[in-house]
Amino acid sequence: EVQMLESGGGLVQPGGSLRLSCAASGFTFSTYVMAWVRQAPGKGLEWVSSIGGRGDYTLYADSVKGRFTISRDNSKSTLSLQMNSLRADDTAVYYCVKKLGYGYALDYWGQGTLVTVSS
Amino acid sequence: DIQMTQSPSTLSASVGGRVTITCRASQSISSWLAWYQQKPGKAPILLIYNTSILETGVPSKFSGGGSVTEFTLTISSLQPHDSATYYCQQYNAYPWTFGQGTKVEIK
Repeated sequence: EVQMLESGGGLVQPGGSLRLSCAASGFTFSTYVMAWVRQAPGKGLEWVSSIGGRGDYTLYADSVKGRFTISRDNSKSTLSLQMNSLRADDTAVYYCVKKLGYGYALDYWGQGTLVTVSS
Repeated sequence: DIQMTQSPSTLSASVGGRVTITCRASQSISSWLAWYQQKPGKAPILLIYNTSILETGVPSKFSGGGSVTEFTLTISSLQPHDSATYYCQQYNAYPWTFGQGTKVEIK
């Protein structure tokens, strides 16, 4: 059974940092592109960042480029998102998602972790 | 960036009825379009990918169609548990983009 459990969310002040983690199991982690998608309260879905199966590439939305860093540890089946210089508009539920590769959609989403940026 | 526009934003339908949601892309995305269902407080679930392929375990009451820039999601034999927000998403090119969502209410 596929499981993806996010952790690390919480309340942080503007300008602060937070590190999200996603512990995955039930599938061959290194085979999958992994990504983060967020959803601000009451709003729609926004792609944040993706990383290749071997960590061979990383991509970021313009809104987070230079502030967020995605990484993965295939030996531990974990995905991470280091978030620096956080702003109020980063407040959202952050979902860990997986995708088999080019031509495939986001086939499983974790339950999400809430990040609140507020003073 | 490729913009995805869904219509309508909300719709209401009767139990047993059928609804169709439209998703338009601002440029060609070939067939790289997916549909997700999200219920309040829950993570999205993949329903359809590559425009019309049903994800494993998804009931055949859901169907997708279209191509290039115009796509549809049809839900038939509506039941109360189909109440949710439905999102389209293009994965033809980064940044991946989503429609704004269509909230479906079952009367």
